[in-house]
Amino acid sequence: DAGITQSPRYKITETGRQVTLMCHQTWSHSYMFWYRQDLGHGLRLIYYSAAADITDKGEVPDGYVVSRSKTENFPLTLESATRSQTSVYFCASSDRSGPLAKNIQYFGAGTRLSVL
Amino acid sequence: DQQVKQNSPSLSVQEGRISILNCDYTNSMFDYFLWYKKYPAEGPTFLISISSIKDKNEDGRFTVFLNKSAKHLSLHIVPSQPGDSAVYFCAASANAGNNRKLIWGLGTSLAVNP
Repeated sequence: DAGITQSPRYKITETGRQVTLMCHQTWSHSYMFWYRQDLGHGLRLIYYSAAADITDKGEVPDGYVVSRSKTENFPLTLESATRSQTSVYFCASSDRSGPLAKNIQYFGAGTRLSVL
Repeated sequence: DQQVKQNSPSLSVQEGRISILNCDYTNSMFDYFLWYKKYPAEGPTFLISISSIKDKNEDGRFTVFLNKSAKHLSLHIVPSQPGDSAVYFCAASANAGNNRKLIWGLGTSLAVNP
């Protein structure tokens, strides 16, 4: 399927477990982003990537790890899940363009993660 | 410190009337502004945007107005339809640095009543 897909859509895990959320895009967009959405906080950036093998921290990176060995994939790993990481996670991608580019980000459908 | 603020958490309007969603920002380096729409259990989808060199952009029923001196933008939906009921996010970016990051408001939940 064309576009940006996240898997799984729903995940329940226990505290201390490692969890990996997957994100795959078919547009060959250079930029990819991970957000979490919580009530009262809107969308908060966890990590982003400008290209394969280039990643950088966002606003709330603690407890998360990312990698980007291929342009199309940007997995997010919770190394030891905590209850505070219960949230809805969104992956997004954006194309690289010139300085007046429209910074439009295209989002996946999200992963709802519950940490018990 | 929130750089993009949507001060109304919710808004309710009648079908056929105008919906006006507001957004304020504090960073004068922002040069591109976007509105996203989000339905429950879906990701946000891009709706309309405006560059800081313009003061208005229109796309069908949706118009975004930018007042740079007031650091304020608004999204007008005319006429409003029940299918417009969703959460609307305002976002801004500064192209200096070219990192494509967006700064997001907390969203406004719009309910359009039949």
